[in-house]
Amino acid sequence: DGGITQSPKYLFRKEGQNVTLSCEQNLNHDAMYWYRQDPGQGLRLIYYSQIVNDFQKGDIAEGYSVSREKKESFPLTVTSAQKNPTAFYLCASSTTSSAGELFFGEGSRLTVL
Amino acid sequence: KQEVTQIPAALSVPEGENLVLNCSFTDSAIYNLQWFRQDPGKGLTSLLLIQSSQREQTSGRLNASLDKSSGRSTLYIAASQPGDSATYLCAVRRGGNQFYFGTGTSLTVIP
Repeated sequence: DGGITQSPKYLFRKEGQNVTLSCEQNLNHDAMYWYRQDPGQGLRLIYYSQIVNDFQKGDIAEGYSVSREKKESFPLTVTSAQKNPTAFYLCASSTTSSAGELFFGEGSRLTVL
Repeated sequence: KQEVTQIPAALSVPEGENLVLNCSFTDSAIYNLQWFRQDPGKGLTSLLLIQSSQREQTSGRLNASLDKSSGRSTLYIAASQPGDSATYLCAVRRGGNQFYFGTGTSLTVIP
């Protein structure tokens, strides 16, 4: 089935460590996105990419990095510079058509110990 | 900047009741509006997508309407069931692959 796969589902990190969240899609979408979700807040955009080897910062990019070496993959690295990384992270994808629908993965919950 | 608001933040209804969830946005220059469902600890599941040229979309017991000029959308759920309990979010799409999300309405359907 077509969809978006995020891994791991749960991740624990010690302070000072970098961690990488995986996002893979087989929908043949050009655009991919990373969002952060905190309790009581809406989704906030971290990074997005519209094409391979290109990506743009979203509203809260500080302390995060991404790469887009393949169309189907858009991993997110949470670096030690991110001051409050404990959150629920959601990966999404869409076509670049203005009419396109947005699809989400199941999310990854990161907890800093 | 586009702002999306969903009121109320939480809603409890008895099973079988019909209900309406609201979504309002400040800028009518949108390409489409999408309604999502989110279960606790899960990702967002797309329910309905309404293009800017459309007035409504239906899927089963769900009906979503869009009034672009007034910046409003509603999600109507008929004959609610306990399995409908979840958080419902709306999102509008603007140019440049920009999406703006509401903070959601948490729905509880009481058996």
